[in-house]
Amino acid sequence: NAGVTQTPKFQVLKTGQSMTLQCAQDMNHEYMSWYRQDPGMGLRLIHYSVGAGITDQGEVPNGYNVSRSTTEDFPLRLLSAAPSQTSVYFCASSLTGDNYGYTFGSGTRLTVV
Amino acid sequence: DQQVKQNSPSLSVQEGRISILNCDYTNSMFDYFLWYKKYPAEGPTFLISISSIKDKNEDGRFTVFLNKSAKHLSLHIVPSQPGDSAVYFCAASGATNKLIFGTGTLLAVQP
Repeated sequence: NAGVTQTPKFQVLKTGQSMTLQCAQDMNHEYMSWYRQDPGMGLRLIHYSVGAGITDQGEVPNGYNVSRSTTEDFPLRLLSAAPSQTSVYFCASSLTGDNYGYTFGSGTRLTVV
Repeated sequence: DQQVKQNSPSLSVQEGRISILNCDYTNSMFDYFLWYKKYPAEGPTFLISISSIKDKNEDGRFTVFLNKSAKHLSLHIVPSQPGDSAVYFCAASGATNKLIFGTGTLLAVQP
């Protein structure tokens, strides 16, 4: 049982490049979320989904796109990377939302130069 | 607009003593609160939670207290152990199921 798998673990992008951060879970969880962690800012919600085909914005959605075509996968797309998007990104999933807590992946460290 | 606040960036306690981590929130619509623990280079892990209909929840050495009128919750760790040294995040959610996190408190338990 792999839990929440994020790829890649590390990535360096040039300003203006695009990329997709992958997230997959094998626990049949309906709820999935993307967070970014920055020093002094804690974990900030980017986008989240309550099921396949349903997504919504979080606290800091600008510059990021998501889609949820299957229950298992929730990719995060950076359309045109900016240095301000340098961060550690975490994907998380939960069976029913908050009651059972979210399971987090191990993170993707992204640097935009 | 920080809806969940942890005003102490760090806390240092002696092994065996009590650790008290605090969290304040501003959104009165939050009805579920959680604490997560995070080690470096790892994702956060769920620790303990509490519903707004309760004022206390206990799980082994960890107890979470909720004061709804003050919009304040706290995590007590008794006794503290060196392995408890980590960053602790409080989080809150409401009807939208969006889980909003605080900025975290770095706990250092000294042997």
